[in-house]
Amino acid sequence: DIQMTQSPSYLSASVGDRVTITCRASQSVRTYVSWFQQIPGRAPKLLIYAASSLRSGVPSRFIGDGSETEFTLSISSLQPEDFATYYCQQSYSTPYTFGQGTKVDIK
Amino acid sequence: QVQLVESGGGVVQPEGSLRLSCAASGFMFRTYAMHWVRQAPGKGLEWVAVIVYDGSQKYYGDSVKGRFTVSRDNSKKTLYLEMNKLRVEDTAVYYCVKEERRGSHYYFDEWGQGTLVTVSS
Repeated sequence: DIQMTQSPSYLSASVGDRVTITCRASQSVRTYVSWFQQIPGRAPKLLIYAASSLRSGVPSRFIGDGSETEFTLSISSLQPEDFATYYCQQSYSTPYTFGQGTKVDIK
Repeated sequence: QVQLVESGGGVVQPEGSLRLSCAASGFMFRTYAMHWVRQAPGKGLEWVAVIVYDGSQKYYGDSVKGRFTVSRDNSKKTLYLEMNKLRVEDTAVYYCVKEERRGSHYYFDEWGQGTLVTVSS
C-alpha cells in the first residue's frame, strides 16, 4: 500500500498568514493527489485535484503543487473560515490512502 | 445539485451485521464509480471500498476485505455497504462519495453527510 505522510500534524497561524502543508508519498503517485478540507462535524470538501487543479468555486488562495512523491498545499492568506483540518489523498492505486491530517488552528 | 444521503447507521454488537444505503440524486448515478470512506471518532479518513459504474468491479481496503460487500442498484440510484462480522474498530462515520473523472485523473468530488456506525456490546 502507498503511505501518505503529512507534515506538520498541527500548525498554529494568524489570519493573513501564508501556510504550507506537505504530503509525501511512499512511492511515486505521479500527480494523482487531492486535497480536502474538513471542518469539525462536517463532511470533507474537495479543494484541489490532480495535484494542482483548483476545484471550481474554491478560492484562489488555495494552491496545490508537486508531483511524484512530494506535494504541497499552500494557503496564501489565511482567512477565518480556513481554520480546519486538511487531508491529502492519493488516487494512483487502491487502496486510495489518505494522509493523517493537518489541523490548522488560530494563533 | 448533487445530493448523497446515507442511512442505516446505528448501534450493533460485535460480530453483528448492518447494511448502509446511500441515495443519490442530481447526477447520472449509473455512469459514476462510487466509494465508501470512513472516519473513526477523532481520527483521520480511511478509504473502505469502491464499485465501478456498472457494478462489475469492486475493490476493498485490507481492514474490511472479506467482511464488507459494496453493491449498487442503478435503477434506484442507490449505493449499499453490507457489513458483516463487525468489530469495535469498525466504529466510525461512513461517508458515501462520488468519483469524478477528468482525463486520466479521478477524484472524490462529492460527499454525503455521513452515517454513524457504533459497534459496542
